[in-house]
Amino acid sequence: DVKVTQSSRYLVKRTGEKVFLECVQDMDHENMFWYRQDPGLGLRLIYFSYDVKMKEKGDIPEGYSVSREKKERFSLILESASTNQTSMYLCASSPRQGGREQYFGPGTRLTVT
Amino acid sequence: AQSVSQHNHHVILSEAASLELGCNYSYGGTVNLFWYVQYPGQHLQLLLKYFSGDPLVKGIKGFEAEFIKSKFSFNLRKPSVQWSDTAEYFCAVARGSGGYQKVTFGIGTKLQVIP
Repeated sequence: DVKVTQSSRYLVKRTGEKVFLECVQDMDHENMFWYRQDPGLGLRLIYFSYDVKMKEKGDIPEGYSVSREKKERFSLILESASTNQTSMYLCASSPRQGGREQYFGPGTRLTVT
Repeated sequence: AQSVSQHNHHVILSEAASLELGCNYSYGGTVNLFWYVQYPGQHLQLLLKYFSGDPLVKGIKGFEAEFIKSKFSFNLRKPSVQWSDTAEYFCAVARGSGGYQKVTFGIGTKLQVIP
């Protein structure tokens, strides 16, 4: 079974803090994704990566950065957390071949106070 | 810009009722289409997908979806819902060549099935 794990299920941070969200997948997938999930807005793509050290902006990259130094790990960084970044963050991975589905992690519920 | 529209945001049905959830997308090129489901407290998981071939695709738990290219639609159906189908359903569209695909999700439809 494909497994995507995220470092924390719940996280509480203060405004202005630097926040790291980690995601690891164990199926050697080339593609990895970070989304945020908000009620009434669905899933919105923040960043994705199709290879090590490669990244592409999604629909809402402002206020976020990412890092992919190893194939299995994709990190989302909030340089200076703000209250409007309070959300559920989902990581996903998929193989490179077109048409393949994404496998999702359990999510990290981040609260910024 | 690519967009994915789900018409029903909250649907309430009695058990054994039939279900149809609408999904339309705006991109005109080649696309791959997906329906994902998120049961309460669980991960998002794949329900079914369309890549090519037969436009009527079948997924898990008795769900099916029909791709109608002329209408840019990929509606999800189930003839008879069960209480265990209570969940949030997301339509997703992937476009791009090879494995370099950008995926856009709809805002989701919450389905509540009443016993």
